[in-house]
Amino acid sequence: SQQGEEDPQALSIQEGENATMNCSYKTSINNLQWYRQNSGRGLVHLILIRSNEREKHSGRLRVTLDTSKKSSSLLITASRAADTASYFCATDSLMYSGGGADGLTFGKGTHLIIQP
Amino acid sequence: DAGVIQSPRHEVTEMGQEVTLRCKPISGHDYLFWYRQTMMRGLELLIYFNNNVPIDDSGMPEDRFSAKMPNASFSTLKIQPSEPRDSAVYFCASSPGWGNEKLFFGSGTQLSVL
Repeated sequence: SQQGEEDPQALSIQEGENATMNCSYKTSINNLQWYRQNSGRGLVHLILIRSNEREKHSGRLRVTLDTSKKSSSLLITASRAADTASYFCATDSLMYSGGGADGLTFGKGTHLIIQP
Repeated sequence: DAGVIQSPRHEVTEMGQEVTLRCKPISGHDYLFWYRQTMMRGLELLIYFNNNVPIDDSGMPEDRFSAKMPNASFSTLKIQPSEPRDSAVYFCASSPGWGNEKLFFGSGTQLSVL
């Protein structure tokens, strides 16, 4: 079953603008991860934020986590055409995880299109 | 490192035929996962292995699906007999092990069952 749900399902913005995607989940988590999937390719890990962290940065990516609202957001600043992809959140359930990646469940993703 | 390697990249077969998908995980990774991706259901975990041992196969949809990991560098996912509703992209992913929750995905196998 899917725990995380991304919002919006699709997002189209102009190059240079910021893109924000959200993820909501249902049960308590160890960590939350964001992945990117380019068309016809596998998912690529972007960033991991743990349940005791509130914000994390990696290059042009900023992730926030609000465990009280069971939600996370992914912000991509100064978007580029190459950022066009689907973005997925994956949650590592506190109840299920054995300490590795075995407890991860994925949402259905946000399809981001960057218009040149 | 070459990453997770899957073969074939595309497979077109007729209903009733046996299909075998192959995966070579990243060397040294303890976990191996098989996922299926469709537009309707998103990314679903089918089965995963820890140190070559199947741990959870509750996501395998039917007895027609089976997976093996005979050694640390090779795994197969077999569908016999295949049906049109099995058409999907099948991903293999590996992960280092306890304390490292990141997944490393292969490029997937696009399966079409006619």
